[in-house]
Amino acid sequence: DAGVTQSPTHLIKTRGQHVTLRCSPISGHKSVSWYQQVLGQGPQFIFQYYEKEERGRGNFPDRFSARQFPNYSSELNVNALLLGDSALYLCASSSAIGQETQYFGPGTRLLVL
Amino acid sequence: GQSLEQPSEVTAVEGAIVQINCTYQTSGFYGLSWYQQHDGGAPTFLSYNALDGLEETGRFSSFLSRSDSYGYLLLQELQMKDSASYFCAVNLYNQGGKLIFGQGTELSVKP
Repeated sequence: DAGVTQSPTHLIKTRGQHVTLRCSPISGHKSVSWYQQVLGQGPQFIFQYYEKEERGRGNFPDRFSARQFPNYSSELNVNALLLGDSALYLCASSSAIGQETQYFGPGTRLLVL
Repeated sequence: GQSLEQPSEVTAVEGAIVQINCTYQTSGFYGLSWYQQHDGGAPTFLSYNALDGLEETGRFSSFLSRSDSYGYLLLQELQMKDSASYFCAVNLYNQGGKLIFGQGTELSVKP
């Protein structure tokens, strides 16, 4: 069975640009969460979607937005990129929300110059 | 607020046993999870404790004591491939189970 997949694997952008990151959950999983991981730190929660509805939002500016599609895949969008947005962006899927184990994809490594 | 504390680094030798501790200050949560991450790759789920006590999965065991706000991951018969970062995380009540992670412990296994 395929795990969580993310695209692209790496991305280089310049300040002020916009980026879209994509995630496909494990087959049968209806919840997708996004996390940002800066080097040397633990992942930080950005968004959670379940059944195409936003169910949680972390402490990130409005430049960050996301959506979930009918097939449960998801996109994370970041506008007006800043140098500090350089990080590994991780997507995790779970079968439901709450106490369900979350399984992570390999991430998209974003570098903002 | 919620926070989880872990040692930043731990070093051990092949074949040994190592314990990585996690203390937390957080409101209600479903359980304590442990993830392994190699060189910035995908965090891989290792273990989950919903209840107090010990959970054993092969060479890995995890423990939770809610009364002590404390948990640990125990790795036995260490192998070189166990060199990685280890994160504890809690999934919170009433917030869709979002995960709050510790800062991670970098484990170095020496020959």
